[in-house]
Amino acid sequence: AQSVTQPDIHITVSEGASLELRCNYSYGATPYLFWYVQSPGQGLQLLLKYFSGDTLVQGIKGFEAEFKRSQSSFNLRKPSVHWSDAAEYFCAVGAQAAGNKLTFGGGTRVLVKP
Amino acid sequence: EPEVTQTPSHQVTQMGQEVILRCVPISNHLYFYWYRQILGQKVEFLVSFYNNEISEKSEIFDDQFSVERPDGSNFTLKIRSTKLEDSAMYFCASRSGTIETQYFGPGTRLLVL
Repeated sequence: AQSVTQPDIHITVSEGASLELRCNYSYGATPYLFWYVQSPGQGLQLLLKYFSGDTLVQGIKGFEAEFKRSQSSFNLRKPSVHWSDAAEYFCAVGAQAAGNKLTFGGGTRVLVKP
Repeated sequence: EPEVTQTPSHQVTQMGQEVILRCVPISNHLYFYWYRQILGQKVEFLVSFYNNEISEKSEIFDDQFSVERPDGSNFTLKIRSTKLEDSAMYFCASRSGTIETQYFGPGTRLLVL
């Protein structure tokens, strides 16, 4: 069965500082990996995805993530955070089976200090 | 840009009542999903739907739940007799092809009293 772990429940970062959110997954085959962001009271917006190919993927809003098969990780990074990046971030793994359901991690809530 | 829409945005109901949550997936998408997020918890898969039938469902999706695509545009989730623990945000998602990204709607917040 697939699973996703986001070890950090909360992260506080100063505006302009770099951000890294950790994600570890468990899946028997090559995973499809996603990062979604959820602002308060809002739905889930896709930041970026990895299906295959280049292990460093670029997303929207200046985010990037690196797939490391050896570490079963897909960490999300941003070099310089903005106050508008305060939100909850979810890592998800997708199955390759016909249903292709997503399994989400518990989320990391990011607070941005001025 | 096409997007998934959901109605209503909020719904309050009494325990034991039936509710129907509605979703309009992106028009050329073929695969449809419902997820839920209980307050403060992770997003959980409920059911996937393709070619007018359920392709996978979780253990949460018991006999009280059903899904339907009554016409070419809507995708509905029905809860026959709501329980307090059904209170959650319900997200609809859709995708176009076998490995394409799932796009999520804004969610319906359901409160069961």
